[in-house]
Amino acid sequence: AQTVTQSQPEMSVQEAETVTLSCTYDTSESNYYLFWYKQPPSRQMILVIRQEAYKQQNATENRFSVNFQKAAKSFSLKISDSQLGDTAMYFCAPRELTGTASKLTFGTGTRLQVTL
Amino acid sequence: GAVVSQHPSWVICKSGTSVKIECRSLDFQATTMFWYRQFPKQSLMLMATSNEGSKATYEQGVEKDKFLINHASLTLSTLTVTSAHPEDSSVYICRARGGGRTSYEQYFGPGTRLTVT
Repeated sequence: AQTVTQSQPEMSVQEAETVTLSCTYDTSESNYYLFWYKQPPSRQMILVIRQEAYKQQNATENRFSVNFQKAAKSFSLKISDSQLGDTAMYFCAPRELTGTASKLTFGTGTRLQVTL
Repeated sequence: GAVVSQHPSWVICKSGTSVKIECRSLDFQATTMFWYRQFPKQSLMLMATSNEGSKATYEQGVEKDKFLINHASLTLSTLTVTSAHPEDSSVYICRARGGGRTSYEQYFGPGTRLTVT
């Protein structure tokens, strides 16, 4: 992937509400992985959810789910029942499978603030 | 889950000196290590990729003589910032990928904050 766009630099959501973070990307590959990572103030990157591009079914992981639109090259993250611990920077990251480098390309990030 | 550690977590050095940052995979063998830098409130930018026992591959615009990477074992990779300058101040984050059954997974270290005065 050459470019990854996260058009929402900052977002805020109230506790228990639902929020959707958007991501679009550009790739010439037909098969690849897509990831959402969370980076809290501790700096530790935490994998939130992943999606294989060849799978049509959207991935879900507890309160986290994605809306993967392959033709549109869109990969949004929905967080349901938001919790204070969800406050963090969120990065969308496609990973192409060509070669052995297995590079991740990170988007610019969305800073999510969960409020009471 | 697998753990990747970095040492030190925070370092301050004077301009012109060199700093070595270690990245260790604690419970798996990391066949590939990736080094990123992250400026405040920005994204992670890949600097280089290293495979155990071979020379690192640097991204365009990254000076290989300034950022020396060594991946001498399957559990340790080091990044040395030589002749550091204030503009090198950043967070440096490593990512490790294992081989075999763990090759699908990717694990990040907690980052090292470098401040050059």
